[in-house]
Order: sequence, then structure tokens, then C-alpha cells
Amino acid sequence: DARVTQTPRHKVTEMGQEVTMRCQPILGHNTVFWYRQTMMQGLELLAYFRNRAPLDDSGMPKDRFSAEMPDATLATLKIQPSEPRDSAVYFCASGWTTGAPGVNTEAFFGQGTRLTVV
Amino acid sequence: AQSVTQPDIHITVSEGASLELRCNYSYGATPYLFWYVQSPGQGLQLLLKYFSGDTLVQGIKGFEAEFKRSQSSFNLRKPSVHWSDAAEYFCAVGGAGNQFYFGTGTSLTVIP
Repeated sequence: DARVTQTPRHKVTEMGQEVTMRCQPILGHNTVFWYRQTMMQGLELLAYFRNRAPLDDSGMPKDRFSAEMPDATLATLKIQPSEPRDSAVYFCASGWTTGAPGVNTEAFFGQGTRLTVV
Repeated sequence: AQSVTQPDIHITVSEGASLELRCNYSYGATPYLFWYVQSPGQGLQLLLKYFSGDTLVQGIKGFEAEFKRSQSSFNLRKPSVHWSDAAEYFCAVGGAGNQFYFGTGTSLTVIP
């Protein structure tokens, strides 16, 4: 049963600490998304990769957030330094984009990382 | 710019009653439309999607949605709701070269 795997599921950290969230996309998918979900803002797109290349990270605070795909099986989202306002659930999703400029057929979501910054 | 509006923040229905969740989108070209469901503490699961063709789309768990271009709508329906359908429902729009844009969600409560 193919699924997107996110680790850790829960993370509590102190303000100022570095946080790294990991995502294993579904094998064969070429598109990876990072979303942040809060009660106030709903689902916000943070970053978006296709074939491991970042296509859009305009939703991400550049001074503290960074997203990478070291290889096709791993995507990471880092926050350094973390702040209490970063507390949220962070979702990774993967999908398959076809054609040019590319159509996203659908996104499969992981179960999320619930981050609490105290 | 692309956007999705879900006018109903919260809906309560009785078990066995019919359900319709509203979704309106704004998109300059042919939209690709999706409905996702999120149970508490879980990720989002795809219920159904529309790319082209028949405007009435069937999905999992007995859900269906109808694409109405003239109304820019993609409403989700279910003829008879089950208690297990209580969850948060998200409508999303995507298109060529774009990521997905999600609505703010509709929370569904099912009364026994």
C-alpha cells in the first residue's frame, strides 16, 4: 500500500531550536509539496518541487525556513530558528505531474508532523 | 488568480440525511477540481477529482460531485450520510503547471 511517510509525527521543541521534518514520497512520484495547516490560515503551500527541483517556495519565510530534496526518496523541511508562531501541522504530499508545462493529477498526503514550539 | 471558496464553515446533518457541500472556484482556464476529506489527526484523502468529460464525477465512500462551469462550482453530494462521514472536507483547484489551491474547508458534524 503506497503512502507518503512523514517523520516525526509529533515534535515539541523550544523556541530558537532547529527543527527538521522529513518526508518520503511515494515511489515514482515526481512532485512533492509542503503544506502548513493552522486553524487561522487553513492549508498554506510552503514549497513545491518537481523532479527534485524547487518550483515555488514563495509561501515560505525565507529567513528561517528551507526545503530540499537530497534525493528522490527524501524531502526535508527545516526551520531554524523555530518560533512559537511556527506551531502547526506540516503536511507533505506527493503526486505525478505529466505533460508540459505539467498537470498535477492529484496529491497524496502524509499524516503530517504536528509541531509545537514553546 | 486561482482561488477556492467554501462558503460553509460548518454543517450539521442527521445520519441518513442527504448532504451537499458547496465549492466555488476562480480559475482562468480549464480547472482541475478535487475534493479531499480529513479525519481528525489524519492527512487528507482524495474523495474524487474532475479533469474533463462527464461533469458528474463519482468518488469513494458514496460521494459524487458535479462540475458546473456556468456557476464556477463543484459541489460535493452524498444521498445518505453515515456517522463515519463526520470530518473536514476540502475543495481544491489545480491546473497546468500549478500547484493545488485549497479552500478553507467545511467541517461536517453528523447527528445520530
